[in-house]
Amino acid sequence: GQQVMQIPQYQHVQEGEDFTTYCNSSTTLSNIQWYKQRPGGHPVFLIQLVKSGEVKKQKRLTFQFGEAKKNSSLHITATQTTDVGTYFCAGPARYGGATNKLIFGTGTLLAVQP
Amino acid sequence: DGGITQSPKYLFRKEGQNVTLSCEQNLNHDAMYWYRQDPGQGLRLIYYSQIVNDFQKGDIAEGYSVSREKKESFPLTVTSAQKNPTAFYLCASSTRGQGNQPQHFGDGTRLSIL
Repeated sequence: GQQVMQIPQYQHVQEGEDFTTYCNSSTTLSNIQWYKQRPGGHPVFLIQLVKSGEVKKQKRLTFQFGEAKKNSSLHITATQTTDVGTYFCAGPARYGGATNKLIFGTGTLLAVQP
Repeated sequence: DGGITQSPKYLFRKEGQNVTLSCEQNLNHDAMYWYRQDPGQGLRLIYYSQIVNDFQKGDIAEGYSVSREKKESFPLTVTSAQKNPTAFYLCASSTRGQGNQPQHFGDGTRLSIL
């Protein structure tokens, strides 16, 4: 079945270091979404990418959608302690052409040491 | 303020007991979803509903039941048939039941076995 994998599962960085998480889908995606879940909290929508090769920035966060629309990445420049949490990518599930639910990736837990 | 309200925040279940988790939204969203999250894991879809009076099974529906009698409400019942119910349960909604719509999450309910 359709799968969305993320690497790494866990990363520990010193505050100020950069961080990247990678998302890989077993199928081509019409779009990819990214969510952040703080410890003990709920996922919060960050951004959606739609176009092949698209790059979007939100302050220190850079999101990229691969040319083949099967992979994506999230890069954080100069991490801060407020970046701590689990980052999930998610893409539409396809059943007979209907795209009525999301498949969430396995997530990357980011720990930032002050 | 518009949002999704889940209650209770914490719930304890005795052996052989059914329990119902509440999810209410005032975002006027058509689609609603229930996810289960185990410690250190991603989100797994239990049930989803694209419209009132209609719902579909997700990837792990066994031992759970839902209803969608009102647009605003999508309660989840964890039945005694669910042998390992201890988890964090998240309810979400989206404008439409399509995989290109961001999902908004409630604060979640933590369910434990007594």
